[in-house]
Amino acid sequence: QQQVKQSPQSLIVQKGGISIINCAYENTAFDYFPWYQQFPGKGPALLIAIRPDVSEKKEGRFTISFNKSAKQFSLHIMDSQPGDSATYFCAASINDYKLSFGAGTTVTVRA
Amino acid sequence: NAGVTQTPKFQVLKTGQSMTLQCAQDMNHNSMYWYRQDPGMGLRLIYYSASEGTTDKGEVPNGYNVSRLNKREFSLRLESAAPSQTSVYFCASSEAGAEQFFGPGTRLTVL
Repeated sequence: QQQVKQSPQSLIVQKGGISIINCAYENTAFDYFPWYQQFPGKGPALLIAIRPDVSEKKEGRFTISFNKSAKQFSLHIMDSQPGDSATYFCAASINDYKLSFGAGTTVTVRA
Repeated sequence: NAGVTQTPKFQVLKTGQSMTLQCAQDMNHNSMYWYRQDPGMGLRLIYYSASEGTTDKGEVPNGYNVSRLNKREFSLRLESAAPSQTSVYFCASSEAGAEQFFGPGTRLTVL
C-alpha cells in the first residue's frame, strides 16, 4: 500500500488562480518531503522540498505547507500559469534515500 | 553534461522474452535507482544501489534483477517478461541526502 496518500487525482484551475495539492503520511520516521513536477514524456524533476523542522517553505510561486502533528503537507501554486500544467508528485523518505511517492495530481491551467 | 540517459526509449516484448534496460549518469553520483510508473500509482521503487558494488530491493522487486556495472551504469533486467511489467521505467541518480535526478524513461509494452 502507498505510504503517501495524495489528493486530488486531477484539478483544473484558471490562469492566475491557486492550485492546492494535499498529501498525508503515516510513518513518523519520514524526514524529507520533496515535490516533483513531471511534463508529458519527461522524467520527474525536483520542484521544492521541505524538512519537518519548518512549517512552510516558499520558492517563487510555489509554497509547501507542512503540518507535523497532522502528518500532512501540501503544495500551493500561486498565480497559476499555463506552463504549470503538469503532473505533480509528493514524496517522503527517511535519511533522503528511498523515496515513497504519492499517486500524482494532474494540474491543468486554463488560459 | 547529459545527466541521466536511458536506452532504449521504447520497447515491445512478447511474454517470456528477456531484455535489459540500460542507464548511465555523468554526474559522479554514488546512488542510483530504478522506478516504474503506472497510472494512478505514482512511481514505485524497484531496486536501488546506494554505492558502487551494492544493490538492494525496493518496493516492487519481483521479476527484476539489477547490476551496478560501475559508478556510472546501473542496468535493469527482465528475465521473463510478463504483461504486468508493461510500464514506464525511470532511472535516477543522486548523492546521499540530495535531489534525485531522473532520466527520460523507457516505455515498455509486454504483449
